[in-house]
This record gives sequence, C-alpha cells and structure tokens, in this order.
Amino acid sequence: QVQLQESGPGLVKPSQTLSLTCTVSGGSISSGAYYWSWIRQHPGEGLEWIAYIYYSGGTYYNPSLESRVTISVDTSENQFSLKLSSVTAADTAVYYCARSSIGARYFDYWGQGTLVTVSS
Amino acid sequence: EIVMTQSPATLSVSPGERVTLSCRASHSVSSSLAWYQQKPGQAPRLLIYGASTRATGIPARFSGSGSGTEFTLTISSLQSEDFALYYCQQYNNWPPLTFGGGTKVEIK
Repeated sequence: QVQLQESGPGLVKPSQTLSLTCTVSGGSISSGAYYWSWIRQHPGEGLEWIAYIYYSGGTYYNPSLESRVTISVDTSENQFSLKLSSVTAADTAVYYCARSSIGARYFDYWGQGTLVTVSS
Repeated sequence: EIVMTQSPATLSVSPGERVTLSCRASHSVSSSLAWYQQKPGQAPRLLIYGASTRATGIPARFSGSGSGTEFTLTISSLQSEDFALYYCQQYNNWPPLTFGGGTKVEIK
C-alpha cells in the first residue's frame, strides 16, 4: 500500500520561501509509472494543482504559480519536494502531495495534508 | 485553462435518497474526468476516473457518467458516511490540471 507523508514548517513568514517534502513509502518513486504532484487547498475552498514531477526530473507547473514554484525529486530518499518563494497570506493553505499515473493524471493516492500558515 | 463548474454548491438530502451531482467543463475534456470525496480534516479520496470507472474499493452505489463537457456523479442511495464534499477534476488539457469548486452533500 503506497503512502505519502508531507513534512515541513507549519508557519512561514511573508516574503520567505515555503519548503515542503513528501516521503513516499510502499512503492518507489523511480518505478517510472507515476507522476508526483503537489496540490493545495485554501481554508474552506477548493483544490488547486501546483505542479508535478517525474522521477527523471521532468516537471510541469501551474502557469499561475510557475514563477514562484520549484519542484524537485530525490530518488535516493524516495522523496519529492516543493519550494514556493515570496509567500504572502494568500499562500496559507493545506498542502497535499499526491500520485497520478503517467497514463492519466487523476490522483489515486494522497498524503494527509499539512497546513502551512503565512504570518509574521 | 479548462474551468470546471460544479452544481449545486450545496445539496441537502436525507439518507436513502438518490443524489445527482453535476460538473461542467468550459471545453471538452473527453472522458478525462475524475470525482473525489473529501470529508472534514481528510485528504480527497478518488471515487471515479475516466468519467465512469469506479476506483478500487468504491461501493457500487457510486456511479459516474458523461463525456465532453457534461458529467454527473450519482449516489444511488445515500448512506450516512456519504455526507461530504465532492470535487470533479479534468485531466484532458493540462497544464494546469483543474478541479471544480465542489458540491457539499449535507444532511437534510
């Protein structure tokens, strides 16, 4: 059973960089069959896809966030990471990591989510 | 960007009732449409993909239909554990992958 677990600071100051890591267990990121995504949910709102990465490093970003987002992968640790720069209060959200297959980009496994609050 | 619109925003229903949720895409997404269920404090759970294929372990009372721009999720007989938020997501035209705004199914 694949499991994903987000980790990182729950509080980030405005203008700083939000950094989160997703650790995958029960399966290998390097299997080549999946894309690995970050998705966020503002409090009381819907879901917003941020970016995804393939094990080889290929990436796709949401154009609305692309200028501030970097997604990376560490196959040796079976992890992938998110960096979001120049954060504001509008970046306060629950951040999820999730898996989708390369054949169809719906999300079949999700992490539990981690709340990141942007505040001074 | 494909905009996904769900209706209604809230649905008040009684246990045992049949429920139909709608999702509309701003442009055709073929059958590349997924449905998720989200309960408070939990991550979304995949219910349906390919517009009509139930994910592993999803009860048969959940069914999906539609193609192109109009989709529906039907719950044939609402159980107490089905009161939740439901989201649709298109994966035909990306980036970005986009979700609908959600429909809340609440107890009447």
